Amino acid sequence: QKEVEQDPGPLSVPEGAIVSLNCTYSNSAFQYFMWYRQYSRKGPELLMYTYSSGNKEDGRFTAQVDKSSKYISLFIRDSQPSDSATYLCAWRGAGTALIFGKGTTLSVSS
Amino acid sequence: EADIYQTPRYLVIGTGKKITLECSQTMGHDKMYWYQQDPGMELHLIHYSYGVNSTEKGDLSSESTVSRIRTEHFPLTLESARPSHTSQYLCASSEGFYNEQFFGPGTRLTVL
Repeated sequence: QKEVEQDPGPLSVPEGAIVSLNCTYSNSAFQYFMWYRQYSRKGPELLMYTYSSGNKEDGRFTAQVDKSSKYISLFIRDSQPSDSATYLCAWRGAGTALIFGKGTTLSVSS
Repeated sequence: EADIYQTPRYLVIGTGKKITLECSQTMGHDKMYWYQQDPGMELHLIHYSYGVNSTEKGDLSSESTVSRIRTEHFPLTLESARPSHTSQYLCASSEGFYNEQFFGPGTRLTVL
């Protein structure tokens, strides 16, 4: 079983839609959860991070972690064309490496 | 915007050539990383550095080598490029291992 599972999409939504992006993981040692956004031809940039189960909000973005189910989600409210990008979930467990999902490609049409 | 730079951005080269991918950061970060990213696949860590004169191999085996002679500079070298090395290479840095990693724009390498 892969350590991280993320549906690659692509996901296409109209402007203003609520978007839900999801990842599941298998390793209980994962403690520190992140979402990165990667625009075409750019490197990833950190969007949100959290240590604990529950919700964390930042503007239009909400990160949700359910450690008991080993499941994390990113919700985007009032999606904009500028949100069109690939979204990568990532974890840090023991050690130095970040474990990344394959990324979900999102396209928001105006 | 993060102050981390990679050159070249795109490189097409023939088999057997020696290449060096450059990565520089102006944030004074001790920790630097190289990731490999294939289309539709996960980023995988191939090298990292704790600081000057420190380099370690990452989780994904790679035929490349790295050096860290200056804090701001972390070049990656392939002695003899092969088509299997075709990929995107991303450099990152962080203040500490548990701090945010800032990524460069990447070098897209194609070996013919």
